[in-house]
Amino acid sequence: DAKTTQPPSMDCAEGRAANLPCNHSTISGNEYVYWYRQIHSQGPQYIIHGLKNNETNEMASLIITEDRKSSTLILPHATLRDTAVYYCIVRVAYAYNAGNMLTFGGGTRLMVKP
Amino acid sequence: EAGVAQSPRYKIIEKRQSVAFWCNPISGHATLYWYQQILGQGPKLLIQFQNNGVVDDSQLPKDRFSAERLKGVDSTLKIQPAKLEDSAVYLCASSQGLGGPYEQYFGPGTRLTVT
Repeated sequence: DAKTTQPPSMDCAEGRAANLPCNHSTISGNEYVYWYRQIHSQGPQYIIHGLKNNETNEMASLIITEDRKSSTLILPHATLRDTAVYYCIVRVAYAYNAGNMLTFGGGTRLMVKP
Repeated sequence: EAGVAQSPRYKIIEKRQSVAFWCNPISGHATLYWYQQILGQGPKLLIQFQNNGVVDDSQLPKDRFSAERLKGVDSTLKIQPAKLEDSAVYLCASSQGLGGPYEQYFGPGTRLTVT
């Protein structure tokens, strides 16, 4: 079973920031938070990951709460091309076995509107 | 850098027939994954390879599904015989390896329809 909880859907106006929440209250100390997205008819695409510090790359920012029980993915200026299903996944990063796998939940369907 | 390649992109077969999917991972990636994605759900891992060895196949229905990665590069996933409930998108992904926070790169998938 997925270890994360996400709202099933969200809307965002084009050009505004999209803030996607994720709850992972049972996260372990050796588990990272990963975000992937899946645009219609494509394979999932990696966005960003983090352990406990906030992270930023060219696609998004990841804010992780101090207790690590929740996080928020921020798309600073959403465009229509950002319409997709966004998956928040917790995963043991330094596993040499099956713990390395990604377990996808239902994700959040983000609709960016003009 | 070339991405993960998969073929065919679409396949329609009748139940009880067999089908095979092919995956070519990103060059140099040691770990290869096959996922099944049923419509409206997130992908579910079927099998994971490290080079040419199986790391995890606990969720692979072994009575009808098989997969191999003989030379540690390309991989083939086979279904024989297919059932109606096997209709799904089959995704292949690869990553640099185990033992690190490596992201997985996904191919476009093969959409299988079993009639």
